[in-house]
Amino acid sequence: AQKVTQAQTEISVVEKEDVTLDCVYETRDTTYYLFWYKQPPSGELVFLIRRNSFDEQNEISGRYSWNFQKSTSSFNFTITASQVVDSAVYFCALKSNTGTASKLTFGTGTRLQVTL
Amino acid sequence: SQTIHQWPATLVQPVGSPLSLECTVEGTSNPNLYWYRQAAGRGLQLLFYSVGIGQISSEVPQNLSASRPQDRQFILSSKKLLLSDSGFYLCAWSGRQGSYNEQFFGPGTRLTVL
Repeated sequence: AQKVTQAQTEISVVEKEDVTLDCVYETRDTTYYLFWYKQPPSGELVFLIRRNSFDEQNEISGRYSWNFQKSTSSFNFTITASQVVDSAVYFCALKSNTGTASKLTFGTGTRLQVTL
Repeated sequence: SQTIHQWPATLVQPVGSPLSLECTVEGTSNPNLYWYRQAAGRGLQLLFYSVGIGQISSEVPQNLSASRPQDRQFILSSKKLLLSDSGFYLCAWSGRQGSYNEQFFGPGTRLTVL
């Protein structure tokens, strides 16, 4: 069975602080995909990134960066110099490379509150 | 580009009334389609998914049903709503197997059952 754990229920930071959102996953599959989504107050989930299990290279996109470590089954997300617009719930998700449907296993989400 | 629509955006219904939520996708063919429910302050629960017209898989037993009458249309229904059906309903689509399989979500429908 697959599982995604986001142990941080809620994080509060002051604008311009760096913040890391943790994600730990469990799967028996050798090939799998990891995702991060952002859910702003409007409710729509916004796709941020996909990472394949065979590619451990970390990725940076502007103020966002992702650290994928297979040895610890973690896929952490860091926001540098946080801004108020980053306030949202962030979900980590996992998909195995089997089946005809792209069924994702989501974590329970981390609510990030960025204040002035 | 692909877009996904859901309506209505919000809905308030009495217990025991029927429900019909609609989701349509534009700009892609043969998508996989999904219905999720998110209870207040909770994570996402996959309700149904479909890999083609008329093909529906249910993830959890419940008071809801889904149908896919057309390739890019996915409908969530109930004959009699329960209080526990309240929540935020999200429709999503993904490409067929062989693509990267990330899901793209619609704007959601907020359902309140009174």
